[in-house]
Amino acid sequence: AQKVTQAQTEISVVEKEDVTLDCVYETRDTTYYLFWYKQPPSGELVFLIRRNSFDEQNEISGRYSWNFQKSTSSFNFTITASQVVDSAVYFCALSSRNYGGSQGNLIFGKGTKLSVKP
Amino acid sequence: DADVTQTPRNRITKTGKRIMLECSQTKGHDRMYWYRQDPGLGLRLIYYSFDVKDINKGEISDGYSVSRQAQAKFSLSLESAIPNQTALYFCATSLAGAADTQYFGPGTRLTVL
Repeated sequence: AQKVTQAQTEISVVEKEDVTLDCVYETRDTTYYLFWYKQPPSGELVFLIRRNSFDEQNEISGRYSWNFQKSTSSFNFTITASQVVDSAVYFCALSSRNYGGSQGNLIFGKGTKLSVKP
Repeated sequence: DADVTQTPRNRITKTGKRIMLECSQTKGHDRMYWYRQDPGLGLRLIYYSFDVKDINKGEISDGYSVSRQAQAKFSLSLESAIPNQTALYFCATSLAGAADTQYFGPGTRLTVL
């Protein structure tokens, strides 16, 4: 079965703190893809990153970084020096080539609501 | 202009009414999807289409139907709306398979009274 777990339902931090959002996934496939999306209060879903299962290099984009570890089936997202504009719901998602004959459909976690207070 | 558009953006309707939500895209993608989002449940797939002639049920298709009128258009219908279909609905598109990123429309907030 395919599953994505975001155990942190809500996180609250003060501006400039670092914060890590956890994502744990389950899949039997050897080829799969992991994604993070951001949903700000305005409601749209914004794509942040895609990572394939063969690339375990960490990625950094400005204040955002992602740590992919196959050994623990985790794809965690860290925001450094958080800002109020980072307040949003963040979703982790998984897709694979061979899932249930519907290759490519995204399985979403339930999301983590991040509140950054000034 | 946005690559993926949804109309209407907000809709309030009554139980038993037929509702159609529309999605259009200018990305040239073959695949299109409809999701619903409920608080605390994340996004769940309703229907998806790999091309105009290929439409498939997702996780929660009961009570919904879809139509892929063209590569660029994918409509979601609620034949007889009920209150528990009150949710935020998203359309998404992707180029092809599992490796490809899905891009989402702005969402339609539907309230069924």
